[in-house]
Amino acid sequence: DAGVIQSPRHEVTEMGQEVTLRCKPISGHDYLFWYRQTMMRGLELLIYFNNNVPIDDSGMPEDRFSAKMPNASFSTLKIQPSEPRDSAVYFCASSGAPWEETQYFGPGTRLLVL
Amino acid sequence: DQQVKQNSPSLSVQEGRISILNCDYTNSMFDYFLWYKKYPAEGPTFLISISSIKDKNEDGRFTVFLNKSAKHLSLHIVPSQPGDSAVYFCAARRGNNDMRFGAGTRLTVKP
Repeated sequence: DAGVIQSPRHEVTEMGQEVTLRCKPISGHDYLFWYRQTMMRGLELLIYFNNNVPIDDSGMPEDRFSAKMPNASFSTLKIQPSEPRDSAVYFCASSGAPWEETQYFGPGTRLLVL
Repeated sequence: DQQVKQNSPSLSVQEGRISILNCDYTNSMFDYFLWYKKYPAEGPTFLISISSIKDKNEDGRFTVFLNKSAKHLSLHIVPSQPGDSAVYFCAARRGNNDMRFGAGTRLTVKP
């Protein structure tokens, strides 16, 4: 298996623009997680899905952030409009069971909002 | 609020010596603790874990210690190797609820 795939790996955009991050989980995994990593706060859980259904989005910072999982093999995290404080590394992870220790993380998308 | 704290952003250790990474938590309801390791340009990978019913778990060169009364856990790496140089994240979980991660500690092992 190729592991969790994220695209793009790097994104530079200007404030106010829409940003869409993409994730393909490991086939057969029922759980998908979106995390954000910043220097100050470390890894923060933004939202997670079970069988394509959002379970907990309490970590989503504000309405500018939205996430979807239209099918078992694809998820998006969208920021509209983007702001400089959204600059971070965004990770997607998947697992076959709820909160099993081996959540498999993707390589991350490094976002820079100018 | 930061329920899981790693107060040392960085640590430098000589090869062959022991590395000790620390983590503190505030929520006494956490019952499972994990350490993840992250290399540059890669996602975190699971390293070792410990249940709250234990105070020690060992896996090769890696040992995690849990002090519930102090709400403190630590990761010991001995002997440290240059390949251990990475960012280490501590995480805590309550039942099947979400995991909370610390901010990470960057370990550098010098040859």
